[in-house]
Amino acid sequence: LAKTTQPISMDSYEGQEVNITCSHNNIATNDYITWYQQFPSQGPRFIIQGYKTKVTNEVASLFIPADRKSSTLSLPRVSLSDTAVYYCLVGGWNAGNMLTFGGGTRLMVKP
Amino acid sequence: NAGVMQNPRHLVRRRGQEARLRCSPMKGHSHVYWYRQLPEEGLKFMVYLQKENIIDESGMPKERFSAEFPKEGPSILRIQQVVRGDSAAYFCASSPPTGGTEAFFGQGTRLTVV
Repeated sequence: LAKTTQPISMDSYEGQEVNITCSHNNIATNDYITWYQQFPSQGPRFIIQGYKTKVTNEVASLFIPADRKSSTLSLPRVSLSDTAVYYCLVGGWNAGNMLTFGGGTRLMVKP
Repeated sequence: NAGVMQNPRHLVRRRGQEARLRCSPMKGHSHVYWYRQLPEEGLKFMVYLQKENIIDESGMPKERFSAEFPKEGPSILRIQQVVRGDSAAYFCASSPPTGGTEAFFGQGTRLTVV
């Protein structure tokens, strides 16, 4: 299973753009990159998923370079409610290839 | 379409009792995954099940823990003779049977062993 490395914590201020980078040097050809968000006392919530290049949805953007050995989650104009733990996962849920969670990045958004 | 439903949300058990945690996957989903999360830590994979089959239980402790996903009804995570170290949040996730690489999580069951 591909291992991921991401910063333990990050601080930001309301209205700023936040970029969280994740390293996954051993990513396999069939692996997707998925990001989840988790608030205290809640289950992880899917944010975004990609395979290569750039993916954007109403919540975030995901940038994946050509070698796919890293990825960057970009949160535009964060608010206090974006304070959470963000997990980067590599793999695929289908065919029994469950995803392994690392320690995540604790994002603290300050006023 | 209801999301992944877990119950109970909170469960208190005395040492030595049994704990039963239930997970109803999203409609149409036939894959269920159980994770355990200790305070201030990440999620640890426990077991992956499909209907009537355990696919991967590499994360399950060898003793006292068992899981099932019957043909009808929710998936059950069973912990026998609970100890204080079993206190944690237990999350389940479900995914569709074919295709897709996205899974949806329930709100979890917080088990407290006293």
